[in-house]
Amino acid sequence: KQEVTQIPAALSVPEGENLVLNCSFTDSAIYNLQWFRQDPGKGLTSLLLIQSSQREQTSGRLNASLDKSSGRSTLYIAASQPGDSATYLCAGANDYKLSFGAGTTVTVRA
Amino acid sequence: DGGITQSPKYLFRKEGQNVTLSCEQNLNHDAMYWYRQDPGQGLRLIYYSQIVNDFQKGDIAEGYSVSREKKESFPLTVTSAQKNPTAFYLCASSIVSGGFNEQFFGPGTRLTVL
Repeated sequence: KQEVTQIPAALSVPEGENLVLNCSFTDSAIYNLQWFRQDPGKGLTSLLLIQSSQREQTSGRLNASLDKSSGRSTLYIAASQPGDSATYLCAGANDYKLSFGAGTTVTVRA
Repeated sequence: DGGITQSPKYLFRKEGQNVTLSCEQNLNHDAMYWYRQDPGQGLRLIYYSQIVNDFQKGDIAEGYSVSREKKESFPLTVTSAQKNPTAFYLCASSIVSGGFNEQFFGPGTRLTVL
């Protein structure tokens, strides 16, 4: 069974600092890894999806990397803004099922 | 606008009652999913369906039931057998094509047991 872990559970940074969010998974036979953003009381917004054959994906200020051999993915957010404050979840896909980490709650201080 | 809608946004249930959460999508996706989210935990899969009239249990299916009579709709019933139903419920959908594809989520329904 796929186990996904996100450490730390919470992170606070000043505006303008680069964010580094970590995700680790136990089963390297994943089809892909997906990063989501969740605002309080809301649903999930898909940010990036990395296929198992890819090493990274980029969208604007966001960059996500995937290292299957070490069971790790990292989400980088450049030049953080207060609007980036949210919970970020990663999920690994196996057999049409997503296994989620508990998320990292980010606060960007103005 | 294409997307996933869930209703109601908030739902209150008395002990012993069954309640049904609605999920509709107009993305023409074949697969639909139900997840449960509890504070401080990741989402856990309740049920999923890859095609009309077929569905599979996820990791925590006990106390829940679903149906998939139409491609666009995947309602979830929380039965009285579910001992701790208070949670945030999220519905998702995806295409089904040569492996696993990107899932898109609805806004969620918050269920509270009175």
